[in-house]
Amino acid sequence: GAGVSQSPSNKVTEKGKDVELRCDPISGHTALYWYRQSLGQGLEFLIYFQGNSAPDKSGLPSDRFSAERTGGSVSTLTIQRTQQEDSAVYLCASSSMGLRGETQYFGPGTRLLVL
Amino acid sequence: DQQVKQNSPSLSVQEGRISILNCDYTNSMFDYFLWYKKYPAEGPTFLISISSIKDKNEDGRFTVFLNKSAKHLSLHIVPSQPGDSAVYFCAASEDDKIIFGKGTRLHILP
Repeated sequence: GAGVSQSPSNKVTEKGKDVELRCDPISGHTALYWYRQSLGQGLEFLIYFQGNSAPDKSGLPSDRFSAERTGGSVSTLTIQRTQQEDSAVYLCASSSMGLRGETQYFGPGTRLLVL
Repeated sequence: DQQVKQNSPSLSVQEGRISILNCDYTNSMFDYFLWYKKYPAEGPTFLISISSIKDKNEDGRFTVFLNKSAKHLSLHIVPSQPGDSAVYFCAASEDDKIIFGKGTRLHILP
């Protein structure tokens, strides 16, 4: 399909393990965003990639979280030494140029459960 | 502190009536406001937006009103339909970032 895809759709892991979440944005979209939705919470901004610019990491909750975007397309969000409070739905979105107010297209999310 | 607040976690409305979803914000620098709709197990989808230079934007059954002096916006859905049952997120943008509220779950009653 032509939409944003994310994998895996569900991930169960043990506390202390590392996890990698993947996002395939819409082809040609230069802006890519990662969000997290914890139970009963809104969408929490994590990190933003725009083209070849340095990413805006201001939303990452700790240094256990990192993300990269290879070749300006696919992105992976890595959580090291997972904790139970990391359990959430991780959503990826992309937009055409990352302009102010531009529509973001979301993927279905990865539901992460840390036991 | 939350910069975008949706104080009603849920709302129930009779089919055919008007649904009004409210949102308050604290940052006067926000210059664009958006509403997203989310069904279970799906990502949010864009619904409607409004620039801070306007006070109303209409798209079919959906109208967003912006009151800058009160730092308040609302989404009106009329007439409400069963497929409108979903979680609605209010969002505000400043520069490249979008900040979302916690969402309001709308139930359309038959």
